[in-house]
Amino acid sequence: AQSVTQLDSQVPVFEEAPVELRCNYSSSVSVYLFWYVQYPNQGLQLLLKYLSGSTLVKGINGFEAEFNKSQTSFHLRKPSVHISDTAEYFCAVSDTGGFKTIFGAGTRLFVKA
Amino acid sequence: NAGVTQTPKFRILKIGQSMTLQCAQDMNHNYMYWYRQDPGMGLKLIYYSVGAGITDKGEVPNGYNVSRSTTEDFPLRLELAAPSQTSVYFCASSPMGSGNTIYFGEGSWLTVV
Repeated sequence: AQSVTQLDSQVPVFEEAPVELRCNYSSSVSVYLFWYVQYPNQGLQLLLKYLSGSTLVKGINGFEAEFNKSQTSFHLRKPSVHISDTAEYFCAVSDTGGFKTIFGAGTRLFVKA
Repeated sequence: NAGVTQTPKFRILKIGQSMTLQCAQDMNHNYMYWYRQDPGMGLKLIYYSVGAGITDKGEVPNGYNVSRSTTEDFPLRLELAAPSQTSVYFCASSPMGSGNTIYFGEGSWLTVV
């Protein structure tokens, strides 16, 4: 069974500052990793995903994440955030042989002017 | 381009009442899911389906039932509503195969009083 831990429940940051949202996972098998974003009063949408290959994955809106197998981490980064990045971000994991995706508890990103 | 459509968007139920949340997708996805989202808890899988006529329990199935008579529709029924079922419910779908993106509806806000 897999599990996902998002290490920060809330991250306040000033506009144009860099941000990192942390995600650790546990699994006894190979996994696929995802970051989803949820804007207020909306459903989740995919930011990026890691399936295989390069451990640095680039997504939409300037976000990127790095898969670190030895640290079992998949942290999300953006070098310069905008007010419009204010949202809740979910890390998720699924095993490569299955179809059930497990979501973390979410990290609420507040971008302040 | 509708994607995943959920109805109703908001509903208030009295304790003991029953209701059905409707979900339809127009992407011909085999997999469909129902999640509930509670503050600080992330998304919990209620039920899922891998195709018409096939459903299975997720992490938190108690108090709910589902059916999947067609590829497009995946209704969620709440029997004997309880305050603990106050939550935001998301229907989602994905293509067959692991590692695929999950597409979410916009959510249904349910309050049980």
